Amino acid sequence: NAGVIQTPRHKVTGKGQEATLWCEPISGHSAVFWYRQTIVQGLEFLTYFRNQAPIDDSGMPKERFSAQMPNQSHSTLKIQSTQPQDSAVYLCASSLDLGLGRDTQYFGPGTRLLVL
Amino acid sequence: QQKVQQSPESLSVPEGGMASLNCTSSDRNFQYFWWYRQHSGEGPKALMSIFSDGDKKEGRFTAHLNKASLHVSLHIRDSQPSDSALYFCAVSVNTGNYKYVFGAGTRLKVIA
Repeated sequence: NAGVIQTPRHKVTGKGQEATLWCEPISGHSAVFWYRQTIVQGLEFLTYFRNQAPIDDSGMPKERFSAQMPNQSHSTLKIQSTQPQDSAVYLCASSLDLGLGRDTQYFGPGTRLLVL
Repeated sequence: QQKVQQSPESLSVPEGGMASLNCTSSDRNFQYFWWYRQHSGEGPKALMSIFSDGDKKEGRFTAHLNKASLHVSLHIRDSQPSDSALYFCAVSVNTGNYKYVFGAGTRLKVIA
């Protein structure tokens, strides 16, 4: 079991460019989460999919950020017109979706995004 | 808005010593608490979850939950330099759908 795979591990973009981050959840896991981690804000929840359907995107910035899960084997987080304040480590996690708040999340290594 | 408060922000203990970390939820609708550990350059990794009042022990790690005070602690005995990491407390909260809320973390340094 390779664990949660995130690509790329590092990405540098210029201000105003688009960044697409990829996540491959653990096989058999039906829940996928995206988080953003910075020194100042800590670990911030962005969005959550269950069986590929978006369930909760309450943490997503309303503009420029979007997430999709086109199939059970990968999810993408897209940031349009990147800004320096988007610089962070973006973490993807997956879980079995046992329900009733019992899910242990398995995190990938993260994608470190730097916007110059 | 659900909050999870962790203390202390940082902690240094000598090798072989006991490290104690604390976490409090602001929401009584919690279901489970987790402790996660994150080493530099890696994603967080779950150490243990706890649901029932009392202690839960896994190796050198013991979690203690007091539901009445919404408080959970993590005690690491015989701390090792490899335990140096960022420790997160997380809680699942029933809001209709379950939300998983993470604290800001406690940075532990074990000094050899």
